[in-house]
Amino acid sequence: GENVEQHPSTLSVQEGDSAVIKCTYSDSASNYFPWYKQELGKGPQLIIDIRSNVGEKKDQRIAVTLNKTAKHFSLHITETQPEDSAVYFCAASHRDDKIIFGKGTRLHILP
Amino acid sequence: NAGVTQTPKFQVLKTGQSMTLQCAQDMNHNSMYWYRQDPGMGLRLIYYSASEGTTDKGEVPNGYNVSRLNKREFSLRLESAAPSQTSVYFCASSQGTSGRGQETQYFGPGTRLLVL
Repeated sequence: GENVEQHPSTLSVQEGDSAVIKCTYSDSASNYFPWYKQELGKGPQLIIDIRSNVGEKKDQRIAVTLNKTAKHFSLHITETQPEDSAVYFCAASHRDDKIIFGKGTRLHILP
Repeated sequence: NAGVTQTPKFQVLKTGQSMTLQCAQDMNHNSMYWYRQDPGMGLRLIYYSASEGTTDKGEVPNGYNVSRLNKREFSLRLESAAPSQTSVYFCASSQGTSGRGQETQYFGPGTRLLVL
């Protein structure tokens, strides 16, 4: 079955700098890669996703890149702000098997 | 719209007790999911339901049962709780009919369960 590895587990960046979180997956059949953000005390919320027919997707300060050959995808947050502090989860899914999440990255934005 | 609601918010059980976690969604979604979240382990899928009347095992189904009561409601039952089931439980729903999470999942606020 699918296995998703996420790094780093904790990340601290200065406000205004960029943050990058990386994930690798094992099943080459996976074709959908969402990113969820979880704020303290709340359920996760989708912030961006990418499908395997696209190499990059951007939404304002957030972007996701996908390298199918290497089987890894990354979340990029530019011009970080205090409200970006949260736990971020990547996941991988394909139509014939259940979705698998990474273990999460706790992002701290330092003032 | 309330989205996805879960009850209770918090529960303490003794080892061996049983309980049912309730989940309901008002978005007319087809697929529903139950996850557990443990420190350092991320989100792990327990069971999912691609449509009313169907349920399938996820990554960690042992010790749990589920019921898709109707399109709106998906319950998770612990028949004999164990300390290893201490966790935060999240219910989610999505529009698709595959149960594979290949579209936006909407999560509830979670149920914090402590088994002594």
